[in-house]
Amino acid sequence: NAGVTQTPKFRILKIGQSMTLQCAQDMNHNYMYWYRQDPGMGLKLIYYSVGAGITDKGEVPNGYNVSRSTTEDFPLRLELAAPSQTSVYFCASSTAGTKLYEQYFGPGTRLTVT
Amino acid sequence: GQQVMQIPQYQHVQEGEDFTTYCNSSTTLSNIQWYKQRPGGHPVFLIQLVKSGEVKKQKRLTFQFGEAKKNSSLHITATQTTDVGTYFCAGPRGDYKLSFGAGTTVTVRA
Repeated sequence: NAGVTQTPKFRILKIGQSMTLQCAQDMNHNYMYWYRQDPGMGLKLIYYSVGAGITDKGEVPNGYNVSRSTTEDFPLRLELAAPSQTSVYFCASSTAGTKLYEQYFGPGTRLTVT
Repeated sequence: GQQVMQIPQYQHVQEGEDFTTYCNSSTTLSNIQWYKQRPGGHPVFLIQLVKSGEVKKQKRLTFQFGEAKKNSSLHITATQTTDVGTYFCAGPRGDYKLSFGAGTTVTVRA
């Protein structure tokens, strides 16, 4: 299994541009999450999904959108990029079972908005 | 909302020494998880604690869940350079989400 994969690894955007961060998992997990991590800070939840067709806002959803058309994929869309969105973005997935809510993280996308 | 606080934010350790990092919650937690993030890497799950007073060991790492299930600690003995990174605790927020602490960043002096 590849686990959780993310593309691209790095990206530089100009202010006002848009982009989609891709995330895929091959573990058949129902739950998927998008976090951002600013330098020296913890993880802030942007959006999450509990299954295909179901998404909900996290702590910091403004400026982002998501969709979940399949179990495997959970892309994050940035519209009208702003310097405040410069961050490292992590996608994660999990399943409820014997290991409750253990999350598996992708390698991250490092985004700079200038 | 429920938050988990971690102290210290930074821990500078001499190689071979022990140290402890702490995680505190304002509310009772059903479980607590610990993750490690190496510099430039992504968080990796270490362990989950569920029972009041639970203690679990992974080699030189000892994890403890408080009796009131409001705090947890991670103790590392004989610190090695491989222990460098940021250690996060996380508690459940609602049914499907986690609330992560800000982390303790560990550096090691050889």
